[in-house]
Amino acid sequence: NAGVTQTPKFQVLKTGQSMTLQCAQDMNHNSMYWYRQDPGMGLRLIYYSASEGTTDKGEVPNGYNVSRLNKREFSLRLESAAPSQTSVYFCASSEVEGGKLDTGELFFGEGSRLTVL
Amino acid sequence: QKEVEQNSGPLSVPEGAIASLNCTYSDRGSQSFFWYRQYSGKSPELIMFIYSNGDKEDGRFTAQLNKASQYVSLLIRDSQPSDSATYLCAVNQAGTALIFGKGTTLSVSS
Repeated sequence: NAGVTQTPKFQVLKTGQSMTLQCAQDMNHNSMYWYRQDPGMGLRLIYYSASEGTTDKGEVPNGYNVSRLNKREFSLRLESAAPSQTSVYFCASSEVEGGKLDTGELFFGEGSRLTVL
Repeated sequence: QKEVEQNSGPLSVPEGAIASLNCTYSDRGSQSFFWYRQYSGKSPELIMFIYSNGDKEDGRFTAQLNKASQYVSLLIRDSQPSDSATYLCAVNQAGTALIFGKGTTLSVSS
């Protein structure tokens, strides 16, 4: 079972370049998330999509855009990369019933390590 | 200001001891609480969730919730070296997303 698949796993960018991180899940989950993780900062929520066709900002949305392409795919775009966006990015998905994540588990991808020079 | 606070550690305990990990949160409306474990270089994985005041036990793990004091804790009994990892506390936000703390690094020495 693939679960949550992220591509690419590693990427080096120069300041000002753009790129898109891809995420796909095969568990038929309705909610998907993008987090970033920096040393000593835990996981910080960038954007999430509670259901197909909807997206919402998280804690640190500035400098990012997202697209919920369909139920399976949720992409994260950096339009003009900055060194402050050097991080490990995790995509996750979950099943949310009745709009509530009370007991739902987040399933994470393996992460994408991005370095911006 | 981070809504979920944890001591970053490291918390060091000898093998066989009880490890106690604590977490406080600021939003009184939070309904459900989660503990994730993350090994170095790996993705987080769910250990337990809790949404009622009191204790919830699962094997060597016990989650404790006190909504009046706005804290949640995780106890690990009979700690093993394989428990050495970063433990992330998370709370439900707006029903459909989790907000994580910075994590506490646990080191269990044999």
